[in-house]
Amino acid sequence: QITLKESGPALVKPTQTLTLTCTFSGFSLSTSAVGVGWIRQPPGKALEWVTLIYWNDDKRYNPSLKNRLTITKDTSKNQVVLTMTDMAPVDTATYFCAHKRVYSSSFDYWGQGTLVTVSS
Amino acid sequence: SYVLTQPPSVSVAPGQTASITCGGNNIGSKSVHWYEQKPGQAPVQVVYDDNARPSGIPERFSGSNSGNTATLTISRVEAGDEAVYYCQVWDGSSDLAVVFGGGTKLTVL
Repeated sequence: QITLKESGPALVKPTQTLTLTCTFSGFSLSTSAVGVGWIRQPPGKALEWVTLIYWNDDKRYNPSLKNRLTITKDTSKNQVVLTMTDMAPVDTATYFCAHKRVYSSSFDYWGQGTLVTVSS
Repeated sequence: SYVLTQPPSVSVAPGQTASITCGGNNIGSKSVHWYEQKPGQAPVQVVYDDNARPSGIPERFSGSNSGNTATLTISRVEAGDEAVYYCQVWDGSSDLAVVFGGGTKLTVL
């Protein structure tokens, strides 16, 4: 059974750096073809893909956010960490991590999401 | 970058069939995935790779994809199907690898 859970601060100030952790179980990020992504959703708005990391450490970033993002994995802890610098109010959103379905470009399991508010 | 276009809303009576479209340039050449999101909840995958259903998703949910339009079809709609539905593709030719549509609110009358 695959589960994912996001954790991190609920509130960050403008210009600060956000660090979110996705802790998962039921799969290993050292297994071929496995990937974990981050998707965010501003209140009342649509889903927006943020970043994706694969078992082989290949990383993809949304080009509109790329300069501010870092994604890393710790296979021993079953964790993926998202770092986003220079946070602004427009980054206020629920951030989801999700398991990328193997041999598909879709996300089959999602965490519950964590709401991050950017405000002074 | 690749753009997916969905109608903002679709309404259907219980027991009828709902069709939610997702438009994109030559989307028929891509694999399309669909998610259902209810208020306050995480998205749930209901169709992947155009027309495959994840385990536990009712057969009432089906997908098709051809030309410039992909469609999610929900047969015998129930009140519990009321949600926002998102389509998603992978754009391997772009740095924007994962693209979501704007979402369609399905209202069950």
